[in-house]
Amino acid sequence: DAGVIQSPRHEVTEMGQEVTLRCKPISGHNSLFWYRQTMMRGLELLIYFNNNVPIDDSGMPEDRFSAKMPNASFSTLKIQPSEPRDSAVYFCASSHGTAGSGNTIYFGEGSWLTVV
Amino acid sequence: GDSVTQMEGPVTLSEEAFLTINCTYTATGYPSLFWYVQYPGEGLQLLLKATKADDKGSNKGFEATYRKETTSFHLEKGSVQVSDSAVYFCALTGRGATNKLIFGTGTLLAVQP
Repeated sequence: DAGVIQSPRHEVTEMGQEVTLRCKPISGHNSLFWYRQTMMRGLELLIYFNNNVPIDDSGMPEDRFSAKMPNASFSTLKIQPSEPRDSAVYFCASSHGTAGSGNTIYFGEGSWLTVV
Repeated sequence: GDSVTQMEGPVTLSEEAFLTINCTYTATGYPSLFWYVQYPGEGLQLLLKATKADDKGSNKGFEATYRKETTSFHLEKGSVQVSDSAVYFCALTGRGATNKLIFGTGTLLAVQP
């Protein structure tokens, strides 16, 4: 079975440009998560969707970040405008059931973003 | 709020040495506990998990036991290999529909031949 699919795998962009990261969760999973990983802050949960509805977006750093999940098989994380401090690896993950159910969360391979 | 504390790395071992990576947690109720592994340049993969007290998760020679009395979930392996070199993350999810997966800071393991 295909795992969580993210694109692009690598992106280098200039400060001020819009960045869109894409994610296709595992088929049948109804929870989707966006995480950011940096050396300084480790793994941070940005936003969590359940049944396409945002449940917890308290980790979204600021208004420059937005996430959507228009259907069960697709989500986007957008940064506009991008800044050098947004450079990080962004992981999408999905699971069956809700976040507190103890079900395994499966991660994509990440989108490596560099903002220069 | 809920949190996970794991030992800082890097941990450097020789091949076939015994491994312990400590993990303790703070949570209300009875969380589910996980160990994830991240190999260089890759995403996180579930290594093992335990969903209730005294459960032992195991996979690929790694083990961890859910100890409620000490709020711990230490990762162990009897004989490490060079291929085990990676970053290991302890994590928990609390009970309830809105509880999220909370990670520790990660421990880098380097195994030398």
